[in-house]
Amino acid sequence: GAGVSQSPSNKVTEKGKDVELRCDPISGHTALYWYRQSLGQGLEFLIYFQGNSAPDKSGLPSDRFSAERTGGSVSTLTIQRTQQEDSAVYLCASSLVGSNSPLHFGNGTRLTVT
Amino acid sequence: RKEVEQDPGPFNVPEGATVAFNCTYSNSASQSFFWYRQDCRKEPKLLMSVYSSGNEDGRFTAQLNRASQYISLLIRDSKLSDSATYLCVVNRGGGDYKLSFGAGTTVTVRA
Repeated sequence: GAGVSQSPSNKVTEKGKDVELRCDPISGHTALYWYRQSLGQGLEFLIYFQGNSAPDKSGLPSDRFSAERTGGSVSTLTIQRTQQEDSAVYLCASSLVGSNSPLHFGNGTRLTVT
Repeated sequence: RKEVEQDPGPFNVPEGATVAFNCTYSNSASQSFFWYRQDCRKEPKLLMSVYSSGNEDGRFTAQLNRASQYISLLIRDSKLSDSATYLCVVNRGGGDYKLSFGAGTTVTVRA
């Protein structure tokens, strides 16, 4: 079946512009995560959605970052007034909820801020 | 203390060798454990789940030690293609299924 889909796969933007990154999780997956990964670094947790619960936003690095998940499915990560340090690969992952439900990752969006 | 901690390595081993490494977790209520593999510039992919009784998948063996709160991964007969970063993933437990990643252990298998 279809996996996690992210778009765009690559995004180049000028410093100061806003960007929106999209994630289509696997159908029926109620948990959705956003991570970012800079070159050579580990995964940095950004935000976690679980069903209708309030999202865990504890990983968002600044108030320029926000995310929403509409109808419990598609999620959008928005970065306002982008900075060069925002350049990274942004990964989305989804899962069922429960013991032994692993995460399934999308291919990521490579964001470059010039 | 971090929720999930791993020895970053790198572990440099010759082909055919056995390599093993651990991951410690801080929450004794954690219930779900996984090993992921991440190749350079690729997304992480599930390698295997870790079950209480331990489990094996080909050359890979995973163990869980609840008393000492760690999981382990052992790779036998290492192949060049095993070179990757191995990520440990643990949930918080106690009804909280949020998964947390370790920073990863880098393994390099040389010819």
